[in-house]
Amino acid sequence: GNSVTQMEGPVTLSEEAFLTINCTYTATGYPSLFWYVQYPGEGLQLLLKATKADDKGSNKGFEATYRKETTSFHLEKGSVQVSDSAVYFCALSEGGLTGGGNKLTFGTGTQLKVEL
Amino acid sequence: NAGVTQTPKFRVLKTGQSMTLLCAQDMNHEYMYWYRQDPGMGLRLIHYSVGEGTTAKGEVPDGYNVSRLKKQNFLLGLESAAPSQTSVYFCASSYELAGGNEQFFGPGTRLTVL
Repeated sequence: GNSVTQMEGPVTLSEEAFLTINCTYTATGYPSLFWYVQYPGEGLQLLLKATKADDKGSNKGFEATYRKETTSFHLEKGSVQVSDSAVYFCALSEGGLTGGGNKLTFGTGTQLKVEL
Repeated sequence: NAGVTQTPKFRVLKTGQSMTLLCAQDMNHEYMYWYRQDPGMGLRLIHYSVGEGTTAKGEVPDGYNVSRLKKQNFLLGLESAAPSQTSVYFCASSYELAGGNEQFFGPGTRLTVL
């Protein structure tokens, strides 16, 4: 079956530090890959996505590249801010024409805390 | 547009009680989902629906039932609550087809079963 593995947190960084959150996946087909972010007390929001190999998703200074050869989708940001403090989830989907209903398989989440 | 809304926001139940969580979306999405979120386990899919009148089991369906009588609503029922069902429940919806479609999430319902 499908699975997503992401680095355990919490990750604590100083403001303006470089961020990497690792994510690797196992899938039987050709999944789409996502990063979702959850701010305290809220639901999940899509941060970025990539639908095929070598695609780069980017949003709000975050980016991730779909690497089929290493089955990875690592999240990076060059300079984090206090407002980036949240839980980040890596996820994959193999839905659509397979009848899978666009279901998402999530990693366990990585908590990021950014301090001044 | 309100997006995806969930009621209630918080609930405390005693073991054996029943309740229904309501999810509503105003984006005309075909697909809807119920997840539970537990510490260290990410989100796990309970049930989902690919259209009005249809439902299907997800990863952890035991102890839950769902109904999708109207396209915009997706109800999650607990017939006899157990402490193991203490969790935060999220509803989501998406357009049909294509694995690249974004799911839109509600704000969550925090349920405690004593």
